[in-house]
Amino acid sequence: DVKVTQSSRYLVKRTGEKVFLECVQDMDHENMFWYRQDPGLGLRLIYFSYDVKMKEKGDIPEGYSVSREKKERFSLILESASTNQTSMYLCASSTPGTGSQETQYFGPGTRLLVL
Amino acid sequence: GQNIDQPTEMTATEGAIVQINCTYQTSGFNGLFWYQQHAGEAPTFLSYNVLDGLEEKGRFSSFLSRSKGYSYLLLKELQMKDSASYLCVRVDSNYQLIWGAGTKLIIKP
Repeated sequence: DVKVTQSSRYLVKRTGEKVFLECVQDMDHENMFWYRQDPGLGLRLIYFSYDVKMKEKGDIPEGYSVSREKKERFSLILESASTNQTSMYLCASSTPGTGSQETQYFGPGTRLLVL
Repeated sequence: GQNIDQPTEMTATEGAIVQINCTYQTSGFNGLFWYQQHAGEAPTFLSYNVLDGLEEKGRFSSFLSRSKGYSYLLLKELQMKDSASYLCVRVDSNYQLIWGAGTKLIIKP
């Protein structure tokens, strides 16, 4: 089974702090994704990566950055946390391809509260 | 979600059948997923359709009509554990996933 893990289930940070969210997958997937999920909205893509050291902006990259130094690890960084970044953050991975190969496997999520 | 419409909430009775509808933008379509998400948990894959018709998988079936931009998820013999949100997800022309906001399904005994 695909396993995607995230470093924390719950985090509380203060405005202006730098926040690191870590994601690790153990299935040798090339593709990795960071989303945020807010009530009443669909998952929104922040950043994704198709390979090591490669990153692409998603729909809402502002205020975030990412790092992919190793294939299995994809980190999301909030350079200076703000209250509007309070959200559920979900990491996912998938194999490259089309169609059903685009099935994404998710980590358990990190619920971040910025005070 | 972008151009994906599904009901916000539905209620059904244990043992019954429920159909969750989804309409989406047809341009640049490359397939449609359904995911299940229990409260506080991550989404998990349920089904994928790219051709017209019905795909059956146990108690769950998914239907697609590409010309109408329409899909539904059919859940039979409902169980209490089926209480969850069901997310309709369109694959666009760049093979990116566009996520609907989800339908919260409440199962009553």
